[in-house]
Amino acid sequence: DIQMTQSPSSLSASVGDRVTITCRASQGISNDLGWYQQKPGKAPKRLIYAASSLHSGVPSRFSGSGSGTEFTLTISSLQPEDFATYYCLQHNSYPFIFGPGTRVDIK
Amino acid sequence: QVQLVQSGAEVKKPGASVRVSCEASGYTFTNYAMQWVRQAPGQRPEWMGWINAGNGKTKYSQEYQGRLTITRDTSANTAFMELRSLRSEDTAVYYCARSPLFLLDFDFWGQGTLVTVSS
Repeated sequence: DIQMTQSPSSLSASVGDRVTITCRASQGISNDLGWYQQKPGKAPKRLIYAASSLHSGVPSRFSGSGSGTEFTLTISSLQPEDFATYYCLQHNSYPFIFGPGTRVDIK
Repeated sequence: QVQLVQSGAEVKKPGASVRVSCEASGYTFTNYAMQWVRQAPGQRPEWMGWINAGNGKTKYSQEYQGRLTITRDTSANTAFMELRSLRSEDTAVYYCARSPLFLLDFDFWGQGTLVTVSS
């Protein structure tokens, strides 16, 4: 199975900060990677698909990049509603695997 | 707009089965796949399997082989997930998520169904 790691596992940031989260795959997955935001008690929501495409309706402060084994999610200017847990998902080969998550807290 | 509405919370005893439904609206049901994912408390989501809502073909995680069946009813635009031989470790929130057939990622999610397994 492909292993997915994320760093950091958690971070504290202030409104307006630029935040970058990294996701690494244990083997190449082309651009078959998505990023999801989850708030407590709610279902995940897709932010990014195909590594760098913005899901419809998602604010442009979110962006994704990468290919192969290393990927990043960037929030250019953190807003109060962005405090949540972020997961990457590889859907290149079975089983599909989510990363362990990055929790973004208010500093 | 795309909506996935799941059935309500369930409490089951060990050894029992559970069936969760996911009713889709706002798009052509048979043009997409439906994925099933579960999330135990405090854990990352875990992929279970998916069904091509058009032709009914399925793919399951090896983790659930023999215990999991995913089906669909195209007349009702509804997908179903049945998990058998439940144990306490199956306590989790179960989600359905729509999946474009050409991409297989999860673009819209249901609200989740809590399944509690307890004696």
